[in-house]
Amino acid sequence: EIVLTQSPGTLSLSPGERATLSCRLSQSVSSSYLAWYQQKLGQAPRLLIYGASSRATGIPDRFSGGGSGTDFTLTISRLEPEDFAVYYCQQSETSPHTFGQGTKLEIK
Amino acid sequence: EVQLVQSGAEVKKPGESLKISCKGSGYSFTNYWIGWVRQMPGKGLEWMGIIYPGDSDTRYSPSFQGQVTISADKSISTAYLQWSSLKASDTATYYCARQRAVAGTYFYNGLDVWGQGTTVTVSS
Repeated sequence: EIVLTQSPGTLSLSPGERATLSCRLSQSVSSSYLAWYQQKLGQAPRLLIYGASSRATGIPDRFSGGGSGTDFTLTISRLEPEDFAVYYCQQSETSPHTFGQGTKLEIK
Repeated sequence: EVQLVQSGAEVKKPGESLKISCKGSGYSFTNYWIGWVRQMPGKGLEWMGIIYPGDSDTRYSPSFQGQVTISADKSISTAYLQWSSLKASDTATYYCARQRAVAGTYFYNGLDVWGQGTTVTVSS
């Protein structure tokens, strides 16, 4: 099973700042099979990024993804109030399609 | 509008059985796989398994193999998650979500549409 480790566990930033979230995998995967999700309290997760760097439909361009192999990042260029949420990465190259434990992005 | 609509919240006792559902609409149900994801209270997302409604090909996470059964009825565009004997530790919110795949091997584009979640509470 591929283990995904997200860091930091909690990130405290202010609106307008830049956020960089990390996802490290226990083994290499193709970028095609790395996705990022956002989950707000009491809501279902929402797909943000697929294929490591492609934005899903309707996702603002302040969200960007990058990386390859075992190290991937999600960057939010300028935080808006609605961006404070929990973010998860997921790999779908090898079953089980594991998720990271999440990074909570909170308002400083 | 493309959507997955899940069945309502359930309150059950330990040892009881349960089957929850996920109905797709607005797209060709057999063009996508349907995955199930568990979220225990205050915790993260756990991938349980995924099914192709076209032929019911199913893959389970080892953590959930033998604990749950995933099935689908393509004639009514509905996928299911069921338990034969619930435990208190099954208390969680369960989400379904769809994903594209090629040849049942290459699962790409992420889980792009999610259901609203079904909360299951198991308590004596």
